[in-house]
Amino acid sequence: AQRVTQPEKLLSVFKGAPVELKCNYSYSGSPELFWYVQYSRQRLQLLLRHISRESIKGFTADLNKGETSFHLKKPFAQEEDSAMYYCALSAWETSGSRLTFGEGTQLTVNP
Amino acid sequence: GAGVSQTPSNKVTEKGKYVELRCDPISGHTALYWYRQSLGQGPEFLIYFQGTGAADDSGLPNDRFFAVRPEGSVSTLKIQRTERGDSAVYLCASSLKPGVNQPQHFGDGTRLSIL
Repeated sequence: AQRVTQPEKLLSVFKGAPVELKCNYSYSGSPELFWYVQYSRQRLQLLLRHISRESIKGFTADLNKGETSFHLKKPFAQEEDSAMYYCALSAWETSGSRLTFGEGTQLTVNP
Repeated sequence: GAGVSQTPSNKVTEKGKYVELRCDPISGHTALYWYRQSLGQGPEFLIYFQGTGAADDSGLPNDRFFAVRPEGSVSTLKIQRTERGDSAVYLCASSLKPGVNQPQHFGDGTRLSIL
């Protein structure tokens, strides 16, 4: 079965500093990886997905199959980036469209 | 347009009672998902509908949980003989169609508290 691990429950950085939210996964096939974000008092929303190779709000994430990681990075954090971030995996070959989520990392960007 | 709508937003009930949670997906979305999120955890998959049929119900924890989507739009998650361990936020998501290229759009969730 697939699994997603986010080793940091809490992460605190200062505005303008680089930020990296870690995500590791276990799955023997070819996964699809996603980052979801939940801002305070808002619903969970898709931030980015590796298949699109996009940068959203300055965030990027690269799938590293050798290290089975999909870390989320931003070179200069902003206060509005403070939110809960979830890494998620879709194992299409075995589990279809269902998402397997990590436990989440609460990011706080201090002024 | 409206996003995924879930009602009620909060539900408090006593152990042993029956509850129904409703999800109204984005119009035209054929795929509908239910997840459960316990405190301090990420969402956990419960069940997925494609149209009216449950394509994957392997995440339902036991036979007290059941979900329907009779007309391929609104879905209801039903929990019988509720237990305190059922307390969680129940999230619904929909996508235009199934597939990893189809982003899942989430509702605000129903916070269920079993006393």
